[in-house]
Amino acid sequence: AQSVTQLDSQVPVFEEAPVELRCNYSSSVSVYLFWYVQYPNQGLQLLLKYLSGSTLVESINGFEAEFNKSQTSFHLRKPSVHISDTAEYFCAVRDSYNQGGKLIFGQGTELSVKP
Amino acid sequence: DTAVSQTPKYLVTQMGNDKSIKCEQNLGHDTMYWYKQDSKKFLKIMFSYNNKELIINETVPNRFSPKSPDKAHLNLHINSLELGDSAVYFCASSQIDRGLEETQYFGPGTRLLVL
Repeated sequence: AQSVTQLDSQVPVFEEAPVELRCNYSSSVSVYLFWYVQYPNQGLQLLLKYLSGSTLVESINGFEAEFNKSQTSFHLRKPSVHISDTAEYFCAVRDSYNQGGKLIFGQGTELSVKP
Repeated sequence: DTAVSQTPKYLVTQMGNDKSIKCEQNLGHDTMYWYKQDSKKFLKIMFSYNNKELIINETVPNRFSPKSPDKAHLNLHINSLELGDSAVYFCASSQIDRGLEETQYFGPGTRLLVL
């Protein structure tokens, strides 16, 4: 069975500071990895994903995540956050062999950016 | 140009009532999903349909009955609502096609409150 652990439930940070949101997963098979963002009272939006190839993936708004197979991690980073990045961030995995399979989500990390 | 839409956005109802939530996607995807987000923001899949056929049913009470009239729609009917059904319900869709990446796109959510 697969599982996802987001190690921090809340991450408060000041504007323009760097941030890392941690995600570890466990799986006996190859997986795809995703980060979704949920702004207050909104739905989930895909932030970035790792399917194959380069282990470093980037989003259009400055976030990046690195797939580390040996450490089974997919941490999300941003070198300088904005107030508008305040949101809930969810890490998720899916079995790469089972298209149409379910996403397994972590518990979420609430990123709170303060001025 | 909403890709995945849900109605209603908010739903407040009494225990024991029957209610439906509708989902439509205009992405041309062949697979649709229902996820439940509880009060602690934990997301878990409930159902998945591929071309109108049920492919995932995650131990959901049979008071919940998904219906897919066509591959662009997946509705969720809930009978005899209970307090514990209060949650945010997200619809998602994806395209399954061997050899291609598959990403799930989420709707804005339906916030259900059972009184």
